[in-house]
Amino acid sequence: SQQGEEDPQALSIQEGENATMNCSYKTSINNLQWYRQNSGRGLVHLILIRSNEREKHSGRLRVTLDTSKKSSSLLITASRAADTASYFCATAPKGGSEKLVFGKGMKLTVNP
Amino acid sequence: DADVTQTPRNRITKTGKRIMLECSQTKGHDRMYWYRQDPGLGLRLIYYSFDVKDINKGEISDGYSVSRQAQAKFSLSLESAIPNQTALYFCATSERPGLAGALIYNEQFFGPGTRLTVL
Repeated sequence: SQQGEEDPQALSIQEGENATMNCSYKTSINNLQWYRQNSGRGLVHLILIRSNEREKHSGRLRVTLDTSKKSSSLLITASRAADTASYFCATAPKGGSEKLVFGKGMKLTVNP
Repeated sequence: DADVTQTPRNRITKTGKRIMLECSQTKGHDRMYWYRQDPGLGLRLIYYSFDVKDINKGEISDGYSVSRQAQAKFSLSLESAIPNQTALYFCATSERPGLAGALIYNEQFFGPGTRLTVL
């Protein structure tokens, strides 16, 4: 069963704008990860944030984690057409035997 | 060369046929996973393996079986394929958890996927 729920399910923006995606989850976690999937291809890991971290940066990506609200957000700054993809959050539940639980994903379209 | 490879990349088969999907990795990871992806449902875990002698059922294992032939190879079988097994199948790998005061579960590395159609 899905634990993570991405919001919105689809987002369309113009190149150069920022894109924010949110993820909510239900149980205590070890860490939360974000993945990207280009159409019909395998998922690619973007960033991992541990349960004791609140914010993390990687290039144009900024991830926040609020364990009290059981939510995370992924911000992509200065978006590019190449950022067009589906994005998934995945949680590693505590006591979950190293299994990741993926959300249903959200589709980001960046228009040139 | 890709670190995680899957064969075949596409397969069309008929109801009742036995199908095997293969996954190989050169990352040297202990952990391997099989997922299926259906539109609007995200990824669901079918089976996972922490080493050659350790196989575990995931969320949706009914109708599937697996074999971990070696550290680098993990195959998924559909003994008697049915149309609702039509999906995109992904293999993934990960390192064993790190230890930094607490277990740190690592990211997973995915293969390119196998698109399976059961008629």
